[in-house]
Amino acid sequence: AQSVAQPEDQVNVAEGNPLTVKCTYSVSGNPYLFWYVQYPNRGLQFLLKYITGDNLVKGSYGFEAEFNKSQTSFHLKKPSALVSDSALYFCAVRDEGGATNKLIFGTGTLLAVQP
Amino acid sequence: DAGVIQSPRHEVTEMGQEVTLRCKPISGHNSLFWYRQTMMRGLELLIYFNNNVPIDDSGMPEDRFSAKMPNASFSTLKIQPSEPRDSAVYFCASTLEGPLQYFGPGTRLTVL
Repeated sequence: AQSVAQPEDQVNVAEGNPLTVKCTYSVSGNPYLFWYVQYPNRGLQFLLKYITGDNLVKGSYGFEAEFNKSQTSFHLKKPSALVSDSALYFCAVRDEGGATNKLIFGTGTLLAVQP
Repeated sequence: DAGVIQSPRHEVTEMGQEVTLRCKPISGHNSLFWYRQTMMRGLELLIYFNNNVPIDDSGMPEDRFSAKMPNASFSTLKIQPSEPRDSAVYFCASTLEGPLQYFGPGTRLTVL
């Protein structure tokens, strides 16, 4: 069965430094991968997705993610973190079963950016 | 464009009372999802509709929970009777084609 793992509950980074939020996946076919962000007291917002094509995907707010098939990873990155990036980040993979609109979410990683 | 609309945004009720959460998906979207988020269990999918038909309700915790989608623009999630352990943030999400889901702002439910 497909799954997605976010190995870090929390990532701390200083403002201006690069950030990485890790995600690994397990699928039997071609992965459809997503990153969402949740700010306090808000719903999840779509950041970026990988379906096919270039392994480096650019998304909203200066974020990007690198799809690595050999390592089955889809890490979220940003060259220079902002305090306003502090939020909960979710990685997700499309369910390969009959319900193709269903997403399987990771447990989330809390990103804390210190000024 | 209006996104997914949920009401109420906050609900405080007493144990044993009936609670109804409402969701209006993005116009034209044909799939709708109800999620529950808690600190302990994270984000859980409760039920999923496609073209107003429930497709997967395996995440519904127990018979106290029920969900309906009478038409393409409205869905409800009902808890009867409510219990303190139902306290959570409930999200609704919708999608048009494919798995990219758009989430509503959520309803924060507190059961005393």
